[in-house]
Amino acid sequence: NAGVMQNPRHLVRRRGQEARLRCSPVKGHSHVYWYRQLPEEGLKFMVYLQKENIIDESGMPKERFSAEFPKEGPSILRIQQVVRGDSAAYFCASSPTQGNQPQHFGDGTRLSIL
Amino acid sequence: DAKTTQPPSMDCAEGRAANLPCNHSTISGNEYVYWYRQIHSQGPQYIIHGLKNNETNEMASLIITEDRKSSTLILPHATLRDTAVYYCIVRVASDGATNKLIFGTGTLLAVQP
Repeated sequence: NAGVMQNPRHLVRRRGQEARLRCSPVKGHSHVYWYRQLPEEGLKFMVYLQKENIIDESGMPKERFSAEFPKEGPSILRIQQVVRGDSAAYFCASSPTQGNQPQHFGDGTRLSIL
Repeated sequence: DAKTTQPPSMDCAEGRAANLPCNHSTISGNEYVYWYRQIHSQGPQYIIHGLKNNETNEMASLIITEDRKSSTLILPHATLRDTAVYYCIVRVASDGATNKLIFGTGTLLAVQP
């Protein structure tokens, strides 16, 4: 079975552009989580989505960032008007249900802002 | 979610058992202990989790003390590929919970040849 797939693996954007990061969860998983890892720092939770619903976005910056997980297709993390501080590794994880099922992570998208 | 405390780094000889400790003295009765690791440039990899009983799988064993205030992850025969940052995380795991993982700074395990 394929694990969590993220693309692109590397993304380069200029300041002011938009970045779209995609995440396909493990087949059958309906819960998706996004985390961000700034250079030399730990992973920080951003947002938790269930199909078509945002459950918890307490870790997401209030401006420029948005996330969706449509009924069909991958989850998308969208960053508008990127700035240098957005440079980071963005990881997506998925789980089949809530409860004690572990989250499984993809290998991330490395976003670089010029 | 409860805070965890881990040593910043540890060394282990290849082929030996690696024992990684974690303190979680404020853990609640409904919080599970999860272990993940992150090998350089990769996404975090799930290893094992438990509530109060010791657990074992193909990767590792998890020993949780009777009072649940600390735990130890055991890699029985460490290899060079086990060099990674290991994270101990405690969180509530129930329907209705947010399920987010709160990562600390972890333990950098360096397996030496």
